Formats: sequence, structure tokens, C-alpha cells
Amino acid sequence: KQEVTQIPAALSVPEGENLVLNCSFTDSAIYNLQWFRQDPGKGLTSLLLIQSSQREQTSGRLNASLDKSSGRSTLYIAASQPGDSATYLCGVAGNTPLVFGKGTRLSVIA
Amino acid sequence: NAGVTQTPKFQVLKTGQSMTLQCAQDMNHNSMYWYRQDPGMGLRLIYYSASEGTTDKGEVPNGYNVSRLNKREFSLRLESAAPSQTSVYFCASSENGRGINEQFFGPGTRLTVL
Repeated sequence: KQEVTQIPAALSVPEGENLVLNCSFTDSAIYNLQWFRQDPGKGLTSLLLIQSSQREQTSGRLNASLDKSSGRSTLYIAASQPGDSATYLCGVAGNTPLVFGKGTRLSVIA
Repeated sequence: NAGVTQTPKFQVLKTGQSMTLQCAQDMNHNSMYWYRQDPGMGLRLIYYSASEGTTDKGEVPNGYNVSRLNKREFSLRLESAAPSQTSVYFCASSENGRGINEQFFGPGTRLTVL
């Protein structure tokens, strides 16, 4: 059974800092990995999708990498802003639809 | 283009009551999903429909039923609500099944069972 872990559970950084969020998974037989953002009381917004054959994907200040063999993905956020404050979730798709980690709650302090 | 829509946004039920959560998507996606989100547990898959006419159980299907009414709509029914079903319910859709493609989520239904 796929298990997904996100570390740290919470993170607080000053504005402008570059930061890395981590996602690890136990079963490397995956189709893809998807990073989401969730604001309080809202739904999930898709940020990046990395297919199993890819090593990384970029969108603006966000860069996600995937190392399938070691069961890890990282989400890199450059030059963080207060508007980046949210919970970030990773979901892994394999033999079953997305299995989620519990998320990292990010606070960017102005 | 509304994406994935869910109704209602909020609902309070008494134990034993029944209700149906509605979900619709306008992206012509083949696959649709129902998740629940609980504090400390993250998001868990309840049921999914890889294509019109098919449904499959997810991680936590007990106490729920689903209907894929047509390609656009996928409903979740609680026949006899229990306090353990207090949660936020999210519907999602993707072009094809098993998460091969990007999933898009609705805004959620916040359900309280007293």
C-alpha cells in the first residue's frame, strides 16, 4: 500500500527566502506525482504535475523534482512571498488514484 | 468554464439522516473521484469512476454509495449518516483514470453530522 509522507508538517520563513518542501513515497511504481496548494477553507489548486518519466517541472517561481528510485519529490519555491502562505500537498498516482500526504503548512512572514 | 462544481457548500445532518452530495464537471473528463479530508488524516479516496458506467471503491468506502449519472455528474450518497462522517468532501476529475492525468478539484462540501 502506497504511503506518502511530507516533511516538515509546518514551516515559517521570512519573505524573500528560497525554500524546499519534501514529499516521500514508499512504492516507486507510480504514474505521476502532483503538487497542490490549499488555502484555508478552500479546495485544492493544482500547481505542478510530474510524470514518472520526468525529472522535474517548472512553473514560474516553482520547481518540482522527482527521484522515483529513491521515492522522493521536492517542491522548490524561489523568493517566497506572503501570498505563498498556504498548505502544500503532494499526491502520488500509481495502482490507485492519488494517495496524499498530510501536507506542509507554510507561513511566509512579511 | 466553471471546472468542477459541488453542491451544497455546507450541510448539517442529524445521525441517521440521508443526503446526496452532487458534483459536476464541464471539462469533458472521463474520470471522477470523491475524497474526504479530515484533520490529521489528510485526503482519502472514497470512490472513483474511471469512465462513465464504472465505479470502484477507494480507501474508505464504507457508509457511502456513488452514482455516475452521466459523463458530467458523479454523486455521493450517505444512506444513514454517522458522526464519523463529519468531514470536508471533495470531488475531482481528470481526463483519464487512476490519476494518469492531472486532477482538478471542486471547492468542497463541509458536512457536520450531529
